[in-house]
Amino acid sequence: EVQLVESGGGLVQPGGSLRLSCVASGYTFTDYAINWVRQAPGKGLEWVSALPASGPNYADSVRGRFTTSRDNSRNTLYLQMDSLRVEDTAFYYCARHNYEYNFDYWGQGALVTVSS
Amino acid sequence: DIQMTQSPSSLSASVGDRVTITCRASQDIGNYLAWFQQQPGKAPRSLIYAASHLHSGVTSKFSGSGSGTDFTLTISSLQPEDFATYYCQQYYNYPYTFGQGTKLQIK
Repeated sequence: EVQLVESGGGLVQPGGSLRLSCVASGYTFTDYAINWVRQAPGKGLEWVSALPASGPNYADSVRGRFTTSRDNSRNTLYLQMDSLRVEDTAFYYCARHNYEYNFDYWGQGALVTVSS
Repeated sequence: DIQMTQSPSSLSASVGDRVTITCRASQDIGNYLAWFQQQPGKAPRSLIYAASHLHSGVTSKFSGSGSGTDFTLTISSLQPEDFATYYCQQYYNYPYTFGQGTKLQIK
């Protein structure tokens, strides 16, 4: 069974940093990319980043502040979030992706709250 | 960036009804269009990819159509568990973008 489990969310002050993790299981980790999608409270879905074989891609709203990386030995994708802003407050979901099926499996989400 | 516009933003229907949600892309995206369902407090659930293909485990009461810039999601024989928010998304190019969502409510 494919599973994605996020961790690392929490409360952080504006300007602070946080690192999210997404641990994948139930499939060959290197066969798929994983993307991050976020959702501010009461708002819609916003794509954040992707890490395909061709290299990382980021939304304009996070480029230069967020960095995505992966550790294939741990079946884990990371999202390093620096210079956090109040408007980064959201649930952050990781989702498995390939170009044939797009997103198929999603994690349960991790809440990031940026507040003083 | 490609803009995705869904209509309507909200929709009221009764159990047993058939409803259609539309999604329009600001440029030609071929069939790189997906649909998702989201229940309150839950992660999104993937329903359809490539405009009309159902993900594994998704019932055929959901159907998608369209190509280019105009797409539709149709849900037949509504059941209580179908009342949720639905999103379209393009994966033609980065940045991937979502529609603003359509909230389907019980009449």
